[in-house]
Amino acid sequence: GQNIDQPTEMTATEGAIVQINCTYQTSGFNGLFWYQQHAGEAPTFLSYNVLDGLEEKGRFSSFLSRSKGYSYLLLKELQMKDSASYLCASMDSNYQLIWGAGTKLIIKP
Amino acid sequence: IAGITQAPTSQILAAGRRMTLRCTQDMRHNAMYWYRQDLGLGLRLIHYSNTAGTTGKGEVPDGYSVSRANTDDFPLTLASAVPSQTSVYFCASSPGTGSGANVLTFGAGSRLTVL
Repeated sequence: GQNIDQPTEMTATEGAIVQINCTYQTSGFNGLFWYQQHAGEAPTFLSYNVLDGLEEKGRFSSFLSRSKGYSYLLLKELQMKDSASYLCASMDSNYQLIWGAGTKLIIKP
Repeated sequence: IAGITQAPTSQILAAGRRMTLRCTQDMRHNAMYWYRQDLGLGLRLIHYSNTAGTTGKGEVPDGYSVSRANTDDFPLTLASAVPSQTSVYFCASSPGTGSGANVLTFGAGSRLTVL
């Protein structure tokens, strides 16, 4: 079956670094997406990885290991506005997205 | 402002009633999707359309129908609402359906409560 696993909730301190992990098992693989969703709002696109390695985009970076079925989202210099849910999604061989349940990130002052 | 417009924002509905959630995009995206989001679960695909005039079933299509008469509009209809259809519904679109083109833009969501 197809499955995405990510932690339900994480807590971090303002100014710190946090890593949100995601493991996936899908029928075929055409890329790994991360979306951010603030409470009561729509998800918004953060990153897309299809090759192994680290993609850096400002304070956010995303890593992929296809052989391990593993990705992480790294958030640096955390700000209070980063409090949100972070959704991991894997694209399968039919180019359909399989979504994780999301990781709720709580930032404390 | 370019993007996706969903209506209504919120609705309370009696069980057995028919309901249509509207979705319009102005980005000329080929593909459109309807998802439902429930607490503790990932987004689940209800129906999708890769291009105007075509539709397909997603993971949880039962009790829902869609149409795609043109590029911009993708309404979702609940023929006879049941309480298990209480959820937040998101419409989304993407430029295409190939790997690199599949970045989704989401609407603001429609919160539906079926009593």
